[in-house]
Amino acid sequence: GAVVSQHPSRVICKSGTSVKIECRSLDFQATTMFWYRQFPKQSLMLMATSNEGSKATYEQGVEKDKFLINHASLTLSTLTVTSAHPEDSSFYICSAQLAGGYNEQFFGPGTRLTVL
Amino acid sequence: QQQVKQSPQSLIVQKGGISIINCAYENTAFDYFPWYQQFPGKGPALLIAIRPDVSEKKEGRFTISFNKSAKQFSLHIMDSQPGDSATYFCAASMNSWGKLQFGAGTQVVVTP
Repeated sequence: GAVVSQHPSRVICKSGTSVKIECRSLDFQATTMFWYRQFPKQSLMLMATSNEGSKATYEQGVEKDKFLINHASLTLSTLTVTSAHPEDSSFYICSAQLAGGYNEQFFGPGTRLTVL
Repeated sequence: QQQVKQSPQSLIVQKGGISIINCAYENTAFDYFPWYQQFPGKGPALLIAIRPDVSEKKEGRFTISFNKSAKQFSLHIMDSQPGDSATYFCAASMNSWGKLQFGAGTQVVVTP
């Protein structure tokens, strides 16, 4: 149980294009989903908290117009990196929090974004 | 500032040995302390978690020890196996908050 999927697992795009990453909770409902960014050999950095049906809450220093988050349903959240640049290349990971649970977060497998 | 401090940064242990990773926190409002295991190119997987009403929790070869007065908690991996070679992250959160504060991570290498 508590499986989270991400799609795509890997994406390469040209500078200036937009990329959408999907995060789905497969076997449970998640009122809250989180988006993280991770650089090589570093810890996870929280980008934003996404609640179903409401606007995402972004962490300080994260550009909300660049990283668009939509949490359309209790099982789906999307992150769109707009006008991507090489410095946006990173490992993006989502997590889903079990509705009614006690803060347990279950992570997706991650999406490797490479911007050329 | 880093709310959860994790040490050591890396650890090499022989097969069958004990791996010990330590974390310290400042915010006494934290009430949930999970440990995650991450393999290269994969997302973190929840390994074991503890709440401050208990001092120890054991699941198989993994044990969390929790010291509320010292604001410290640690992960012990008993009988370490090469398949345990991964990066381990401690974290902490508050029920009313939900967000996880992660430690910097510990890369564990178990030699055959």
